[in-house]
Amino acid sequence: NAGVTQTPKFRILKIGQSMTLQCTQDMNHNYMYWYRQDPGMGLKLIYYSVGAGITDKGEVPNGYNVSRSTTEDFPLRLELAAPSQTSVYFCASSNYRGSQETQYFGPGTRLLVL
Amino acid sequence: GNSVTQMEGPVTLSEEAFLTINCTYTATGYPSLFWYVQYPGEGLQLLLKATKADDKGSNKGFEATYRKETTSFHLEKGSVQVSDSAVYFCALSEGAQKLVFGQGTRLTINP
Repeated sequence: NAGVTQTPKFRILKIGQSMTLQCTQDMNHNYMYWYRQDPGMGLKLIYYSVGAGITDKGEVPNGYNVSRSTTEDFPLRLELAAPSQTSVYFCASSNYRGSQETQYFGPGTRLLVL
Repeated sequence: GNSVTQMEGPVTLSEEAFLTINCTYTATGYPSLFWYVQYPGEGLQLLLKATKADDKGSNKGFEATYRKETTSFHLEKGSVQVSDSAVYFCALSEGAQKLVFGQGTRLTINP
């Protein structure tokens, strides 16, 4: 089992460019999440999905878009990159059957916007 | 809204020392509580969890007890090792299992 995989591992963007962060899980989990982690801070939820075709905003959704066309994939789109989006991005998934379920995290994508 | 507060880091200890990392929370209802660990260059991994008051989560020598009366979930280990050096995050689970994280505590263990 690969678990949760993310690509790329690292990317430098110029202000105003766009990119898609890829996330794939092979555990057949229904729930998927995107978090960002700023230096010295905890993770903040950007978007989440409870199943294919269903997404919802988290705490910090501005500047991002998501889609969930399959159970396995949950890409995160940055349309107009800004320096404030410099962060480490983590994708996670869970087989949600209640609030006690474990979330499994990918290794992260480090993004630098200059 | 719900929130989690962890003790300020970084924390530096010698090998075999006793570890406590404090975590308190504010929440409506009865959330599940978690400790996640992040080793250098990796994503977060679940360390332990507790789902109701007075539950004790434990794993790899770490323990934490869900204290509803003090709204706390402190992480403890009796004898730390160099390999325990990492960043530790306390978190609670809201609806749809949205996790709310503390700011993290960086732990360094010196041999």
